[in-house]
Amino acid sequence: SQQGEEDPQALSIQEGENATMNCSYKTSINNLQWYRQNSGRGLVHLILIRSNEREKHSGRLRVTLDTSKKSSSLLITASRAADTASYFCATRGSARQLTFGSGTQLTVLP
Amino acid sequence: DAGVIQSPRHEVTEMGQEVTLRCKPISGHNSLFWYRQTMMRGLELLIYFNNNVPIDDSGMPEDRFSAKMPNASFSTLKIQPSEPRDSAVYFCASSLGDGGYNEQFFGPGTRLTVL
Repeated sequence: SQQGEEDPQALSIQEGENATMNCSYKTSINNLQWYRQNSGRGLVHLILIRSNEREKHSGRLRVTLDTSKKSSSLLITASRAADTASYFCATRGSARQLTFGSGTQLTVLP
Repeated sequence: DAGVIQSPRHEVTEMGQEVTLRCKPISGHNSLFWYRQTMMRGLELLIYFNNNVPIDDSGMPEDRFSAKMPNASFSTLKIQPSEPRDSAVYFCASSLGDGGYNEQFFGPGTRLTVL
């Protein structure tokens, strides 16, 4: 079964609000990564968190990882219209590859 | 660096024709990945190369699909014969080190339409 399922599938917020997306996975992982995809474009890497890390920050992004619950969250603070995109989590388990979830479609309304 | 380069960006072909997609990874990266993205199935890994050697091709749908990496700076994904259900966006990505251990850099994709 597929690793890395995002929740919610779609999220709509006002500019300036915070956006939180969650990712759950099923087996043990080496790392978990978040990617963004703007419509019609390739995926862009946002942040990587390794299994021995609990929290990571990058600009307005904050990622947490709870390996006991097999879950991660991505928080975007003070969202902007330009943050409108699909967000994917991807996990690296024992296989030497990433497995991507189905994504959360975030819409930030101006 | 120009990033991962894919060509063509768009391809429209008729069922039964051969399709070849091309990818140039970022210089110095030693892992290369081919993905397919559709609304129904999401993003699927087709094949993964490390140091030009195919490591995992379990995602290749069937024998109609083949991929090569003759050198560190070039890879092709070929579909022969193509079918309408192959219509999708095909992405190439590259990374440093072992697959999935570091961030992957994606190309802009090739949108394939098979009529």
